[in-house]
Amino acid sequence: AQSVAQPEDQVNVAEGNPLTVKCTYSVSGNPYLFWYVQYPNRGLQFLLKYITGDNLVKGSYGFEAEFNKSQTSFHLKKPSALVSDSALYFCAVRDGSGTYKYIFGTGTRLKVLA
Amino acid sequence: EAQVTQNPRYLITVTGKKLTVTCSQNMNHEYMSWYRQDPGLGLRQIYYSMNVEVTDKGDVPEGYKVSRKEKRNFPLILESPSPNQTSLYFCASSNPSGMGFNEQFFGPGTRLTVL
Repeated sequence: AQSVAQPEDQVNVAEGNPLTVKCTYSVSGNPYLFWYVQYPNRGLQFLLKYITGDNLVKGSYGFEAEFNKSQTSFHLKKPSALVSDSALYFCAVRDGSGTYKYIFGTGTRLKVLA
Repeated sequence: EAQVTQNPRYLITVTGKKLTVTCSQNMNHEYMSWYRQDPGLGLRQIYYSMNVEVTDKGDVPEGYKVSRKEKRNFPLILESPSPNQTSLYFCASSNPSGMGFNEQFFGPGTRLTVL
């Protein structure tokens, strides 16, 4: 069965420091991996995705993520955090074996401190 | 403007009173989906639709119905709502690409309270 784990409910980081939000997954077949961000009282917005190709993918707002097949991880990163990055972040996976179901993680709240 | 719209945005109802939450997208997307968001549980997929007249269950379909009679619309129907369906609901749409589906576009959400 597909699953996504975001092991940290909250991540605190000082403005200007690098940030990492962790995600691990389990799927049958090749994974399609996504990161979304949710600001208060808003819907989710797409940040980036991994379908195939380079393991390091770049996305919106300076975010990037590294796909690691051996560790089944897809951690979200940013070299220098901004206070405006404070939001709820979701990792999601779509099983590449033929279904079109999506599994989302439980979310990680990122708090960037000024 | 490309968007996914949901109505109503807020709804308070009572147990057993049938309701429908509408979802519409103007991007000609083939794929549409409904999710519910609950604290500590993240987003869970309720139903999805690959195209008109093609729907399938997500992980939490019990107590919900959907229909896809037109490409742009994907209503969520609660025939007999119960308090455990109190949640924040999101509709999303997407289009396939050569390697699978692209990112989903999400609506603004519908906050449902069932008393």
